[in-house]
Amino acid sequence: QVQLVQSGAEVKKPGASVVVSCKASAYIFSDYYIHWVRQAPGQGLEWMGRIRPGRGDTNYAETFEGRVTMTRDTSIYTAYMELRRLRSDDTAVYYCSVHNPTLREYFLQWGQGTLVTVSS
Amino acid sequence: EIVMMQSPDTLSVSPGERATLSCRASQSLSSHLAWYQQKPGQAPRLLIYDASTRATDTPDRFSGSGSVTEYTLTISSLQSEDFALYYCQQTHIWPLTFGGGTKVEI
Repeated sequence: QVQLVQSGAEVKKPGASVVVSCKASAYIFSDYYIHWVRQAPGQGLEWMGRIRPGRGDTNYAETFEGRVTMTRDTSIYTAYMELRRLRSDDTAVYYCSVHNPTLREYFLQWGQGTLVTVSS
Repeated sequence: EIVMMQSPDTLSVSPGERATLSCRASQSLSSHLAWYQQKPGQAPRLLIYDASTRATDTPDRFSGSGSVTEYTLTISSLQSEDFALYYCQQTHIWPLTFGGGTKVEI
C-alpha cells in the first residue's frame, strides 16, 4: 500500500514562498511519479505538475511555470513543492499523489493534504 | 487545454437507487479518463481509470462507460458511504484537467 505523508498546515503572507513536503517510500521513489494537485476551498482540483523522483525530471503546468519548483531528497524519500510569490488565491489544500508509469497519469494514492493559507 | 464538464452539479438520490453521473470533454479523450470520489476533509480516491476499469478495492456497484467525449459513472445501488463528491479527470494531454465535480446527496 502506497503511503504519502505530507507536512503540516502553513500560513503565509502575500508575496512569500511556501514549501510543502511529501514523504514516500523507497519503491515510490524508484518506480513512480509524484504529482502535486491543489484544491481551493469549496472548489475543484487543479494539477500543478510532477516529478520523477528517481531522476529528478520535472514537468509543470503552464499556469505555474516560473512560480513553482518541485524537488526531491532521495536520501529521505521526500518530495518538495515550493510555490513562490504567493497570492490570496493560492489559498488551498495541496496534495501530493502518485501515478504508476505503466499506466496513464491516474492518481493511485494521495497524501492527506496540506492547507496553505495566504493572508495579510 | 481540455475542458471537462460534469453534470449535474448535484444529484439527489435515495439509498438503494441508481445514480448516473456525466462527464463531457471539449475534445476526444480516447478513453483516457478517470473517476475519483472525495468525502469531506479527505483526499480524493481513485475509483475508475481508462474510462471503465475499476481500481483496486472499488466495489463492483461502480461502473464506468463512454468514449470519445462523453463518459458516465454509474452507481448501481447507492450505499450510505457513496454519498460524496465525484470528479472526472482526463489524462489524454497536458495539462491534466478535472471536471468541476458532482455532489451525490441523499
